[in-house]
Amino acid sequence: QSALTQPPSASGSPGQSVTISCTGPSSYVGGYNYVSWYQQHPGKAPQLMIYEVNKRPSGVPDRFSGSKSGNTASLTVSGLQAEDEADYYCCSYAGNNMVVFGGGTKVTVL
Amino acid sequence: EVQLVDSGGGLVQPGGSLRLSCAASGFMFSGYWMSWVRQAPGKGLEWVAKINPDGSGKNYVDSVKGRFTISRDNAKNSLYLQMNSLRVDDTAVYYCATEASFRFDHWGQGTLVTVSS
Repeated sequence: QSALTQPPSASGSPGQSVTISCTGPSSYVGGYNYVSWYQQHPGKAPQLMIYEVNKRPSGVPDRFSGSKSGNTASLTVSGLQAEDEADYYCCSYAGNNMVVFGGGTKVTVL
Repeated sequence: EVQLVDSGGGLVQPGGSLRLSCAASGFMFSGYWMSWVRQAPGKGLEWVAKINPDGSGKNYVDSVKGRFTISRDNAKNSLYLQMNSLRVDDTAVYYCATEASFRFDHWGQGTLVTVSS
């Protein structure tokens, strides 16, 4: 069982938006702004999509956005495209120089 | 271009040992924290260990403490993970990754470790 809770699945039609939540203890997500999100296609390495709650690395489309409220962080994918179908993982600083991941959410583009 | 190439995985019996390597290029390896992250078959990601730029500081997830050792050779731009007393539940794809401010910017392609009799 992961320290951060994500819904196992989410879906949307092309052009729609989908939001994935990531809930953890107040000492993790709620305590720090070190929340990141990763996209992983089958058989591939994860790719950083969002860091420090709402910052996008260079090259990541602005369709991807992040936010946080209390102990829950969220990733929103707007204007869904077929290539957005993948697994998404949240990650948070957990104190003592360590991080924890969520269990992952499979996003399906209908 | 940042490149991380993971190697050293394979099939090992329970109780055995294995040493993973990660060859880095395209960036100043000696200036970065580095981590190992693993993914059991069909499961999610799990952070395993991290090491600071000069190798003097290390952290581990509780489940591998005392069994795994992370190290690096900055002269060779290489990261290592020595895994001893391997268990069936250590079976996973192991990725090396650069770490900055508790995020993982660049990842290797992963190397599969299978612990089975």
